Amino acid sequence: NAGVTQTPKFQVLKTGQSMTLQCAQDMNHNSMYWYRQDPGMGLRLIYYSASEGTTDKGEVPNGYNVSRLNKREFSLRLESAAPSQTSVYFCASRDSFNSNQPQHFGDGTRLSIL
Amino acid sequence: DQQVKQNSPSLSVQEGRISILNCDYTNSMFDYFLWYKKYPAEGPTFLISISSIKDKNEDGRFTVFLNKSAKHLSLHIVPSQPGDSAVYFCAASEGLASYDKVIFGPGTSLSVIP
Repeated sequence: NAGVTQTPKFQVLKTGQSMTLQCAQDMNHNSMYWYRQDPGMGLRLIYYSASEGTTDKGEVPNGYNVSRLNKREFSLRLESAAPSQTSVYFCASRDSFNSNQPQHFGDGTRLSIL
Repeated sequence: DQQVKQNSPSLSVQEGRISILNCDYTNSMFDYFLWYKKYPAEGPTFLISISSIKDKNEDGRFTVFLNKSAKHLSLHIVPSQPGDSAVYFCAASEGLASYDKVIFGPGTSLSVIP
């Protein structure tokens, strides 16, 4: 059972380049999320999608765009990468029809912007 | 300003002893709290949660205590095992209906020494 799969696991970009981080879940969850984790900051929500066809901004959305391609897939795009976007990015999903269910996370994408 | 604080970046405990991880929050509207555990190069995994209508929740070796008046919660691990060595994140949300916007603390790195 794969759960939440993120690709790629590692990526190095130059300032100004664009990049799409992919995320797919096989648990039939309706809600999906993108977080970034920085030292001393915990995980901060970038965008989330409560259901297929909807997306909403989280705490730190600037510089990012998202697409909920279908129920399984939720991608995060950096249109013009900046060094401040160097971080570890986590995708998560949740069965939000069941209020007691927590989020399930992928193993992350480590992104470096030079 | 961080709404969820974990003031101890790291903690070392002997195997078999109790580990106590602390978390403080500032938002009095938070009423659902979670603990996640994270190993290196993996995503966070859900450990235990507590609703504000309770002051204690227990799951095996893990117990979470909530003191609403002090805006403080703690995670107790008894007995601690070397496999418990990980980063622990405290998280909070303003009720299950707002569960999509979970605020994470910066994490505490626990080392259990054999």
